[in-house]
Amino acid sequence: ELKVEQNPLFLSMQEGKNYTIYCNYSTTSDRLYWYRQDPGKSLESLFVLLSNGAVKQEGRLMASLDTKARLSTLHITAAVHDLSATYFCAVDKGGGADGLTFGKGTHLIIQP
Amino acid sequence: GAGVSQSPRYKVTKRGQDVTLRCDPISSHATLYWYQQALGQGPEFLTYFNYEAQPDKSGLPSDRFSAERPEGSISTLTIQRTEQRDSAMYRCASSPGLLRNEQFFGPGTRLTVL
Repeated sequence: ELKVEQNPLFLSMQEGKNYTIYCNYSTTSDRLYWYRQDPGKSLESLFVLLSNGAVKQEGRLMASLDTKARLSTLHITAAVHDLSATYFCAVDKGGGADGLTFGKGTHLIIQP
Repeated sequence: GAGVSQSPRYKVTKRGQDVTLRCDPISSHATLYWYQQALGQGPEFLTYFNYEAQPDKSGLPSDRFSAERPEGSISTLTIQRTEQRDSAMYRCASSPGLLRNEQFFGPGTRLTVL
């Protein structure tokens, strides 16, 4: 059974600081997704990482994937309040169009 | 349509009643997924469709849950004889096809079973 673990689950940080969210998964997969969810809202796709060594950046967020270590990271640079949200990583089980397996999410609060 | 839509957005029902939730995917998308999201958790996969075919029902919690997509576009998720533990957000997502593309999520239906 595929398991996806995120840490930390809760993170409070100050504006201007850097931090990294980690996503570990238990079985082989070469596709990993990061989503953002604001309170009461739907999930917004941030990044799709398709291969080992993939790195994608959008603004202050950068995601990477190491399929050998079964690890993805979401790095936040010089955080701003608008990035406060819950961030989910999700892994594709592979072998077809199976649904994604999500982590529990990282609830991020960025304080001015 | 421009995005995935779901209706109703909120549903309150009494235990034992049947409910049907609707999902209208992005019009060009072949694949449609249903997820259940408990408060404070990530979405959990229920089932998916490729056009009207339903290859995987493995995530459905019990035989009280069923889903349809008869014409390969709009889908419904029906929960019979609802129980309090069925209370959750039910999310629909669609993607262009079977090549494990990015999934686009709808706003969800918040189901409360009293």
